[in-house]
Amino acid sequence: GQNIDQPTEMTATEGAIVQINCTYQTSGFNGLFWYQQHAGEAPTFLSYNVLDGLEEKGRFSSFLSRSKGYSYLLLKELQMKDSASYLCAVRARESNYQLIWGAGTKLIIKP
Amino acid sequence: GAVVSQHPSWVICKSGTSVKIECRSLDFQATTMFWYRQFPKQSLMLMATSNEGSKATYEQGVEKDKFLINHASLTLSTLTVTSAHPEDSSFYICSARDIDRAGGTDTQYFGPGTRLTVL
Repeated sequence: GQNIDQPTEMTATEGAIVQINCTYQTSGFNGLFWYQQHAGEAPTFLSYNVLDGLEEKGRFSSFLSRSKGYSYLLLKELQMKDSASYLCAVRARESNYQLIWGAGTKLIIKP
Repeated sequence: GAVVSQHPSWVICKSGTSVKIECRSLDFQATTMFWYRQFPKQSLMLMATSNEGSKATYEQGVEKDKFLINHASLTLSTLTVTSAHPEDSSFYICSARDIDRAGGTDTQYFGPGTRLTVL
């Protein structure tokens, strides 16, 4: 079966760095995605990893280790507007290539 | 980046009426689109997968006769909530699959969502 785990909630300070972890178990891995979702809004795409390693995009970076079934989203120079839920999603052959969603990590940024 | 639009952004209707929601991929062609529903403070729930030119695939527990999906072109999918009732009030979000074979990416982009309130 498929299982995606990420912390329910995290708190960080404005200007700091935070790492949100995601672990998964699946068969026929075909990509891992991170999305940001502000309250009351639709998710917005942040990153896509299909090979091992780090993908950097401005203040956000995403890392993948397929052998460990592990990814993290790294947010640097945190801003108050980064307060949101961060969703980890995995695509796999066993789910007919649909995205399987984690429950999301609510990130609270404090001044 | 790829842009997906949804219309309307919000709708209020009376119980028993039907509501149509449109999802468009504006700068790419999407053979596959997805319809999600999200209740307050809950996770995204996939309702159905919409494939251009063929019937939609519905998730278990989603009534296909109540939630009609039509994917008539490579840039448009519609979801019609038939005979809506207050329990259908929710945030409906579509996403479109953008496959860039040259770039080696295969990504889902979301529309802004439609907030449906059934009185």
